[in-house]
Amino acid sequence: AQRVTQPEKLLSVFKGAPVELKCNYSYSGSPELFWYVQYSRQRLQLLLRHISRESIKGFTADLNKGETSFHLKKPFAQEEDSAMYYCALPPGANSKLTFGKGITLSVRP
Amino acid sequence: DTGVSQDPRHKITKRGQNVTFRCDPISEHNRLYWYRQTLGQGPEFLTYFQNEAQLEKSRLLSDRFSAERPKGSFSTLEIQRTEQGDSAMYLCASSTGTGLYEQYFGPGTRLTVT
Repeated sequence: AQRVTQPEKLLSVFKGAPVELKCNYSYSGSPELFWYVQYSRQRLQLLLRHISRESIKGFTADLNKGETSFHLKKPFAQEEDSAMYYCALPPGANSKLTFGKGITLSVRP
Repeated sequence: DTGVSQDPRHKITKRGQNVTFRCDPISEHNRLYWYRQTLGQGPEFLTYFQNEAQLEKSRLLSDRFSAERPKGSFSTLEIQRTEQGDSAMYLCASSTGTGLYEQYFGPGTRLTVT
C-alpha cells in the first residue's frame, strides 16, 4: 500500500533563510507526487507536481527514486510562505490522494 | 465564486443525530472526492464518484456513512447516529478526471459531535 511520510510537524525559520520540507513515500510503481499548501483561512490548493518540473512561488521539488523522497525546497523563505504543507501521492491517474500528516512552516520576520 | 462549495461550513450536533453535508463541485468536473481531516492529520480519503457512479469507498467509511451523487453534479454525505469520533473537517474536492489531474478542494464542513 502507498504511504507518505512527513517526518517533521513544524519548521520555523527566519525570513531569507533556506527551507526544506521533507517528504518520503512508499509506493511500488512509478509515483506521481504533489505538494499541496493551505494558507491561513484558505482552502487546500495544489502548489506543485512532480511531473511538471516547475518552480512555483520559488519552490521546487525533485523526485529522488533512490531515496524515495520528494522534498520541497526554497532558497529564501518569505513571510507569506507561512502555511501548512502536505505531500500527496495518487496511486494512479485520476484517483484518490494519499496525504502525509503535513508540516507547518512558520517564517519569522 | 466558481470554485468547489460546501454547505454548511460548520455543524454542531448531538451524539446519535444524523447529519448531511452537501458539496457542489466545479461545473465541468466529473470526478468528486470526499476526504476527512482530523486534528494533526492530513486529509484521509473516504470515497469518490465519477459522474453519478461511486467508484471507490475507503474502509474508513463505516455503515453509518453514505454518499450520493444522484445526477452527477452535487453530492451529499450523510452520517447516521453520529459519534464523537466523527468530529472532523469533511473536505470535498473535484477534478476533470482526465490526464494528470488537479483536485480542487472546497472550504470544508467542520463537524462537532457533542
